[in-house]
Amino acid sequence: DIQMTQSPSTLSASIGDRVTITCRASQSISNWLAWYQQKPGKAPNLLIYKASTLESGVPSRFSGSGFGTEFTLTISSLQPGDFATYYCQQYSDYPRTFGQGTKVETK
Amino acid sequence: EVQLVESGGGLVQPGGSLRLSCATSGFTFSAYWMNWVRQTPGKGLEWVANIKHDGTEKYYLDSVKGRFTISRDNTENSVYLQMNSLRADDTAVYYCAKDSAWNSAWPHYFDNWGQGTLVTVSS
Repeated sequence: DIQMTQSPSTLSASIGDRVTITCRASQSISNWLAWYQQKPGKAPNLLIYKASTLESGVPSRFSGSGFGTEFTLTISSLQPGDFATYYCQQYSDYPRTFGQGTKVETK
Repeated sequence: EVQLVESGGGLVQPGGSLRLSCATSGFTFSAYWMNWVRQTPGKGLEWVANIKHDGTEKYYLDSVKGRFTISRDNTENSVYLQMNSLRADDTAVYYCAKDSAWNSAWPHYFDNWGQGTLVTVSS
């Protein structure tokens, strides 16, 4: 199975901060990577697919990059609604696997 | 608007069975792969199974193979997860998730999710 490892597990930040989350795959997944945002009690919500393509309706302050085994999700200027948990997920191979999540909390 | 509504969760004893349903609307159901994904506080998000748009291909997480069966009814726009021989570690919120790729031979990422249904396996 392809292991997805996110860092950090928790990130403390303030409104307006630039936030970067890293996701590493245990083997190359090309750019078959998606990022999701999840708020408490809600289902995950797709932010980015194919490593860097923004899903329709997602604010442009979110961006993704990377290829192969290392990927990043960046929020250019953190907004109040961005405090949530973020997950990466590979869709290169079965089983589909997720990172363990990065919780973005208020500093 | 795409809508996915899961049902069928509940409390079941170890070794028991449950059938989850996911009723969908707002898209051409018969053209998309469909998935079940579960979430626990301890193991996070875990993909469980998926099924091709025409039902001819199904894939499973190793730990549920032989116990869970995914199926779909394209006339009812619904996908199902039959869960047998349930174990305590199957306890989770189960989400139905729509694949992104239209009429694709290979599934991609999950672009729409239901609200989830809680399955608790306990005596």
